[in-house]
Amino acid sequence: GQNIDQPTEMTATEGAIVQINCTYQTSGFNGLFWYQQHAGEAPTFLSYNVLDGLEEKGRFSSFLSRSKGYSYLLLKELQMKDSASYLCAVRDSNYQLIWGAGTKLIIKP
Amino acid sequence: ETGVTQTPRHLVMGMTNKKSLKCEQHLGHNAMYWYKQSAKKPLELMFVYSLEERVENNSVPSRFSPECPNSSHLFLHLHTLQPEDSALYLCASSQDQAGETGELFFGEGSRLTVL
Repeated sequence: GQNIDQPTEMTATEGAIVQINCTYQTSGFNGLFWYQQHAGEAPTFLSYNVLDGLEEKGRFSSFLSRSKGYSYLLLKELQMKDSASYLCAVRDSNYQLIWGAGTKLIIKP
Repeated sequence: ETGVTQTPRHLVMGMTNKKSLKCEQHLGHNAMYWYKQSAKKPLELMFVYSLEERVENNSVPSRFSPECPNSSHLFLHLHTLQPEDSALYLCASSQDQAGETGELFFGEGSRLTVL
């Protein structure tokens, strides 16, 4: 079966750095996505990786290793507003999105 | 108004009621989706429409009936639901079903409670 694993919950301190991991086993691979979802709000697109390596976007970076079936989302200089759930999703060979259950990130002052 | 708009935001219904969820996108996208989001579970894809044609129906019970009258509007008709159907129902759109990045634009969801 197809599977996406990510931690259920993480806690970090304002101003610090946090890395949210995502491992996947899917039928084929056509890209990996990270979405952010604040409580009671719509998920919003953060990043897309299809080639190995690091993609940087301001305070957020996303890394992909296709050979290891592994990605991480790195958040730097954490702010209170970064408290949210972070969803990892992989597009398989049929261009279907397979979703993880999300990682709830709690930022403490 | 921009983006993806869903109504109602909250809905409480009995198991014998009939209700509908509405989604409207103002992005000129060709593909629209219904997802079910339950606490601590992955998003479940329910239906996909591409250019107003249903292209995906992921073994969803017939008590859920989608309708896509045009590329901007998507409905989810609900009938004789079960308490386990209580969840957040998210509508999303994308430029194309399998576009270059396939980025989805989500609405804020309709929180459904079935009594």
